Amino acid sequence: KQEVTQIPAALSVPEGENLVLNCSFTDSAIYNLQWFRQDPGKGLTSLLLIQSSQREQTSGRLNASLDKSSGRSTLYIAASQPGDSATYLCAPESADGLTFGKGTHLIIQP
Amino acid sequence: DAEITQSPRHKITETGRQVTLACHQTWNHNNMFWYRQDLGHGLRLIHYSYGVHDTNKGEVSDGYSVSRSNTEDLPLTLESAASSQTSVYFCASSGAQGYEQYFGPGTRLTVT
Repeated sequence: KQEVTQIPAALSVPEGENLVLNCSFTDSAIYNLQWFRQDPGKGLTSLLLIQSSQREQTSGRLNASLDKSSGRSTLYIAASQPGDSATYLCAPESADGLTFGKGTHLIIQP
Repeated sequence: DAEITQSPRHKITETGRQVTLACHQTWNHNNMFWYRQDLGHGLRLIHYSYGVHDTNKGEVSDGYSVSRSNTEDLPLTLESAASSQTSVYFCASSGAQGYEQYFGPGTRLTVT
């Protein structure tokens, strides 16, 4: 059974810093890995999807990397802004579907 | 614009009642999923469907059922609601396995 761990569980930093959020998973037999953002009381918004054959994917200030063999992914946020405050979830997809980590709760202080 | 909607957004029901949560997507996606989100557990898969008349059990399927009679809808039924089923329920869809999943806004269900 896939297990997903996200570190840190919570993070509070001043605006402008570059951030790294970590995700590890136990089963490397994945199709892809998806990063989501969730605002309080809202649904999930897809940020990036990395296919198992890819090493990284970029969207604006976000960059996600994937090392499938070691079971790790990182989400890099450049020049953080208060609007980036949210919970970030990673979810590798395997034959059993998506398995979610418990997320990193991120607060960017103005 | 294509979207995925859920109804109701909030519901309070009593223990033992049957409850159905609706999910409707206009993406024309083959795959649809139901998750529940609880503090301390994160999101867990309840049921999923890879096409019309196809349904599969997820990690936490006990007490829940789904049926898929068309591409757009995957209703989730709680046969006899229990307090342990108080949760936030999310529906999602994707074009195929390995493709991006898109999520609905969620339904907050309280069982008293």
